[in-house]
Amino acid sequence: KAGVTQTPRYLIKTRGQQVTLSCSPISGHRSVSWYQQTPGQGLQFLFEYFSETQRNKGNFPGRFSGRQFSNSRSEMNVSTLELGDSALYLCASSRTGPDTQYFGPGTRLTVL
Amino acid sequence: DAKTTQPTSMDCAEGRAANLPCNHSTISGNEYVYWYRQIHSQGPQYIIHGLKNNETNEMASLIITEDRKSSTLILPHATLRDTAVYYCIVRGIISGGYNKLIFGAGTRLAVHP
Repeated sequence: KAGVTQTPRYLIKTRGQQVTLSCSPISGHRSVSWYQQTPGQGLQFLFEYFSETQRNKGNFPGRFSGRQFSNSRSEMNVSTLELGDSALYLCASSRTGPDTQYFGPGTRLTVL
Repeated sequence: DAKTTQPTSMDCAEGRAANLPCNHSTISGNEYVYWYRQIHSQGPQYIIHGLKNNETNEMASLIITEDRKSSTLILPHATLRDTAVYYCIVRGIISGGYNKLIFGAGTRLAVHP
């Protein structure tokens, strides 16, 4: 069974731009969660989507948003990029609620 | 949220067992203990989880104390490829939703020849 895939793997943007990252969950998984990892803050939860609805949200500004499609694939968007948004963005999927999450390889975003 | 406490770093000789401790003294009755590891700049890899009983799979064993206030992850025969940051996470609805994992700093395990 294929794992969680994320595209692109690497991305370079400049301040003020916006970016969209994509995540394809494991087949049959309906929950997709997003995390941000930086050297200073570690791994932090961004939000979770289940059946195309945001079910849970972390403490991030409104510049960070996401959505989920009917096939469970998810995208996250960051608008008006700041230097501090440089991070590894990780996506994790699970079947439903109380189930193990499996992570993708991440997208490394660099903001110049 | 249930918090976990782990040592910052540990060393282990290749071929020996690596025992990684975790304290979670505020864990609630329906919260699970999960272990993940992250090899440099890759996505975290699921290792094992448990509620009350000890668990074993092809990667590791998880020993949970009877009062559930602490646990130990055991890698029976560590290899150089086990060098990683290991995260102990308490997960459950009381933690903010089942799929909101709260990561601490983890334990940096170095396996040396």
